[in-house]
Amino acid sequence: SQQGEEDPQALSIQEGENATMNCSYKTSINNLQWYRQNSGRGLVHLILIRSNEREKHSGRLRVTLDTSKKSSSLLITASRAADTASYFCATAGSGNTGKLIFGQGTTLQVKP
Amino acid sequence: NAGVTQTPKFRVLKTGQSMTLLCAQDMNHEYMYWYRQDPGMGLRLIHYSVGEGTTAKGEVPDGYNVSRLKKQNFLLGLESAAPSQTSVYFCASRLRRGSYQPQHFGDGTRLSIL
Repeated sequence: SQQGEEDPQALSIQEGENATMNCSYKTSINNLQWYRQNSGRGLVHLILIRSNEREKHSGRLRVTLDTSKKSSSLLITASRAADTASYFCATAGSGNTGKLIFGQGTTLQVKP
Repeated sequence: NAGVTQTPKFRVLKTGQSMTLLCAQDMNHEYMYWYRQDPGMGLRLIHYSVGEGTTAKGEVPDGYNVSRLKKQNFLLGLESAAPSQTSVYFCASRLRRGSYQPQHFGDGTRLSIL
């Protein structure tokens, strides 16, 4: 079963605007990761936030994690047409297998 | 440095046929994973391996078998394909060291079962 929900399922914005995607999960985690998937391609890792971190930045990406609410958000600032893709959150438990549980994803369209 | 390479990229099978999907990685990663992705859903783990010669079941293992005879290769087999196995299959690999390693993905194999 899927770990959690992503919200919204689809998002359409204009270039230059910010995009926010949310992810909720059900069980305790070691870390939470965000991946991007361009159409017809594999997933590409964007950013990882540890369970003891609350916020992390990487370029135009900002990720927050609230373990008390079991939720995370991904903010993409000043979006570009090239950001058009599907975005997935994935949670890792405390085991040593490296297994991830993925959400259903948010499809982002950035209009030029 | 090719990363994770999946073969073939596309395949159409008839119900009952068998086939093997190949995943190869050149990053010397210990961990490897097979996922399937269906429309509107995230990835679901089929089988995984934490090292050469070892495999384990994931969330949706029924109808699939795997082998990891060499560290760099992870094979996914369908012994008797069923229409429900129509999907996009992704392979991923990861370093064992530490808890905070990302997974690296191939570009997928698109499989249709008629």
